Amino acid sequence: QKEVEQDPGPLSVPEGAIVSLNCTYSNSAFQYFMWYRQYSRKGPELLMYTYSSGNKEDGRFTAQVDKSSKYISLFIRDSQPSDSATYLCAMSEDQGGSEKLVFGKGTKLTVNP
Amino acid sequence: DTEVTQTPKHLVMGMTNKKSLKCEQHMGHRAMYWYKQKAKKPPELMFVYSYEKLSINESVPSRFSPECPNSSLLNLHLHALQPEDSALYLCASSQKTRTGLPGQFFGPGTRLTVL
Repeated sequence: QKEVEQDPGPLSVPEGAIVSLNCTYSNSAFQYFMWYRQYSRKGPELLMYTYSSGNKEDGRFTAQVDKSSKYISLFIRDSQPSDSATYLCAMSEDQGGSEKLVFGKGTKLTVNP
Repeated sequence: DTEVTQTPKHLVMGMTNKKSLKCEQHMGHRAMYWYKQKAKKPPELMFVYSYEKLSINESVPSRFSPECPNSSLLNLHLHALQPEDSALYLCASSQKTRTGLPGQFFGPGTRLTVL
């Protein structure tokens, strides 16, 4: 079993839809959970991060972490064509210093106008 | 300034060439990273520098040689590469302290093609 599992999609939705992206993990030592957005041929951009369990909201984006189920989610409300990108979940055990991020495979999202 | 810059954006080199990739950040981050990313795959960690010292080398072949001249700069020297080394090379940085923001901040990458 891989440390982090993420459905690679692709996922195609109409503009305005609610998008749900998910990752599961096996390492209970993970404490920091991140979502990166990567546009084609660009570097990943840190979208949201969450420490331990709970929810975090930023505009149209909501990140959820359920440590008891080892499951994290990213919700995108009122999706826009500009949200079309690959979304990578990433996790680490430790915040400080040379953190080793463990990435999911990424989910490619297309939002159709 | 929350930007990590990388040069060049594109690089084409032959298997006998020597070239260098450069990365710069001015966020005061004391950890810097090199990643390799192949198409439709997540970034794959190569090297980590912590306080300008190499702290992690993920068993990368010696034809890749990292260098950290100071806390803002990170180089990756390339020599005798193979066509399978063609990829997007990403630089990232992160804060060192436990009170800082988690996560790594990535540059735009250098797209490398080895002929």
